[in-house]
Amino acid sequence: NAGVTQTPKFRILKIGQSMTLQCTQDMNHNYMYWYRQDPGMGLKLIYYSVGAGITDKGEVPNGYNVSRSTTEDFPLRLELAAPSQTSVYFCASSDTGREPQHFGDGTRLSIL
Amino acid sequence: TQLLEQSPQFLSIQEGENLTVYCNSSSVFSSLQWYRQEPGEGPVLLVTVVTGGEVKKLKRLTFQFGDARKDSSLHITAAQPGDTGLYLCAGQGTPLVFGKGTRLSVIA
Repeated sequence: NAGVTQTPKFRILKIGQSMTLQCTQDMNHNYMYWYRQDPGMGLKLIYYSVGAGITDKGEVPNGYNVSRSTTEDFPLRLELAAPSQTSVYFCASSDTGREPQHFGDGTRLSIL
Repeated sequence: TQLLEQSPQFLSIQEGENLTVYCNSSSVFSSLQWYRQEPGEGPVLLVTVVTGGEVKKLKRLTFQFGDARKDSSLHITAAQPGDTGLYLCAGQGTPLVFGKGTRLSVIA
């Protein structure tokens, strides 16, 4: 099984550009999450979803948008990229929200 | 707001040494998870502890959940370079509450 798949793995953006980070899971999990991890730091929750059509803000949602039209996919959108958004982004999923989270391998994003 | 404090933040030790890292909170959690993140990868679950006072062993790693379910510890015996990584604790909640992690470096 593929688990949680994130694309792209690396990306360089210019300030003001927009992009969508893709995340898909094949485990039929209800819960999905987006985190960012700055160098040498822990995880900060951006947005999460408890099921298709339902999303909620995490600790650091400003500058990001999400949608959850299907159980499998949970894309993260950056509308106006800023240098402060340079980070590694991780997508994760879990079945009931009480189960352990399964993480993707991350998207490394640099904004110059 | 539930918070998990992990200590130490950084730890650098020689191969063969023992170490303990801590995860503390003022809140009670119904369960607590430990993850390890290796460089360039996403976190991977090591163990979940559920019962107060519970001790779980995973080879050279020993995990303990405090009696009051507010704290946990991870003890590594005879550390090896392969143990290098970021160790994260996470308390049950919606969403999961992550600590900031302990970054461990084991030098050969």
